[in-house]
Amino acid sequence: GAGVSQSPRYKVTKRGQDVALRCDPISGHVSLYWYRQALGQGPEFLTYFNYEAQQDKSGLPNDRFSAERPEGSISTLTIQRTEQRDSAMYRCASGEGASSNQPQHFGDGTRLSIL
Amino acid sequence: GQQVMQIPQYQHVQEGEDFTTYCNSSTTLSNIQWYKQRPGGHPVFLIQLVKSGEVKKQKRLTFQFGEAKKNSSLHITATQTTDVGTYFCAGRGAQKLVFGQGTRLTINP
Repeated sequence: GAGVSQSPRYKVTKRGQDVALRCDPISGHVSLYWYRQALGQGPEFLTYFNYEAQQDKSGLPNDRFSAERPEGSISTLTIQRTEQRDSAMYRCASGEGASSNQPQHFGDGTRLSIL
Repeated sequence: GQQVMQIPQYQHVQEGEDFTTYCNSSTTLSNIQWYKQRPGGHPVFLIQLVKSGEVKKQKRLTFQFGEAKKNSSLHITATQTTDVGTYFCAGRGAQKLVFGQGTRLTINP
């Protein structure tokens, strides 16, 4: 399809393991955003990219979280040494332009469960 | 930091009744966006408001942006079962979008 694609849809792992979440944005979209959404809450900003450049990573909770978008298309959010509190829905969104005044198109998310 | 508060958290109405959700920001916003998330789905963009006092309509939905650009509302006239979902406002201050916690709308047919 032509929408934002995230994989895996579900990820269950043991505490202490590293996980990598993938986002494939809409083709040609310049901006890419990562959010974390707890049940019953709105998406919480983590970081965003314009092309391959990370513009703002102020929402990343700590240094166990990192993200990259090396070729300005697919992005990976990596969580090292996972903890139970990292369990959440992780959503990616992309925008057509680099401007902040753009509608964001969300993917179906990756539901991460840390045992 | 910037905070966006949304009320009410939940709203249950009879089909055909009206519904309103309110959004307030702690800081002046450059624009505000509204999204709808169906149960089990992802947020879907509805509209963006940019100008002070702006009012936009989409069929039965009316969106307003306050004069001070710190608050906004979404009003649905004569709700239908297809309106079920959670409505989020998202305010942009400097760079990033800050989402409210959403208003979950349920409808009794």
